[in-house]
Amino acid sequence: GAVVSQHPSRVICKSGTSVKIECRSLDFQATTMFWYRQFPKQSLMLMATSNEGSKATYEQGVEKDKFLINHASLTLSTLTVTSAHPEDSSFYICSARIGYEQYFGPGTRLTVT
Amino acid sequence: ILNVEQSPQSLHVQEGDSTNFTCSFPSSNFYALHWYRWETAKSPEALFVMTLNGDEKKKGRISATLNTKEGYSYLYIKGSQPEDSATYLCACPGGGADGLTFGKGTHLIIQP
Repeated sequence: GAVVSQHPSRVICKSGTSVKIECRSLDFQATTMFWYRQFPKQSLMLMATSNEGSKATYEQGVEKDKFLINHASLTLSTLTVTSAHPEDSSFYICSARIGYEQYFGPGTRLTVT
Repeated sequence: ILNVEQSPQSLHVQEGDSTNFTCSFPSSNFYALHWYRWETAKSPEALFVMTLNGDEKKKGRISATLNTKEGYSYLYIKGSQPEDSATYLCACPGGGADGLTFGKGTHLIIQP
C-alpha cells in the first residue's frame, strides 16, 4: 500500500528557533500533500495544502510566514515552524493524496521550551 | 465551517462483543466520508472512503454504512479483538483542495 514517512517523529527545541519537518511519499508520487496539527483533546485540524511546484494554500488563521511549506518534488513536502514559541507545541501530521484517498505519515510531536 | 462529530468519545467493549459508533456530518453538499483507524505511534490507516447514499462497505470484521440524506455513518466491529483497540476517526473533505475536516474520534478499548 501507499506509505508516507515523516521525520523527525519527535523534536524539542528552544523558543525562537526554527524546526523543519519532512513528509515523504515512499512508493508513489503526490502532487498534493496536506499538513494538519492536533492540540490535546482536539481533532486533527487542516493547516495548509501543499502543491508541488507552486505556493501552499493556508487555512484561515494559519500564518503563512510562520509555517513555511515547500513542496519541491513529487515525493517531498517540508513544513518549517519559524521562530517557534511554546504555543506552537503540538502534534503535526502530513498526508499525501491519491485520488479520493489520503495516506498519512505517523506524525511529529513538537515541544517548544 | 464543516462540522463533523463522533460519538461516543470513548468506548470499552468486552472481547468477543460487537460494537458500533457514529459519525455525523452536514447532509448538504456531501462529497465523501472517510473512516480511519489510528493506533498510538502509528500512521492513521485508511479503512473506507464512502460516497454514495446507502453505501455499505466491509473489510474483515469491520463494516460501515452511509446515510447522506440524514448525515450520518455507522462503523461496526463484529466480534471485537484486542487488536481492534484504537482511535477511529471519520472525516469529510471541506478544506482547500479537499483537505479533510475530522471529528474528534472514538477511542475504542477492547478488554480481554
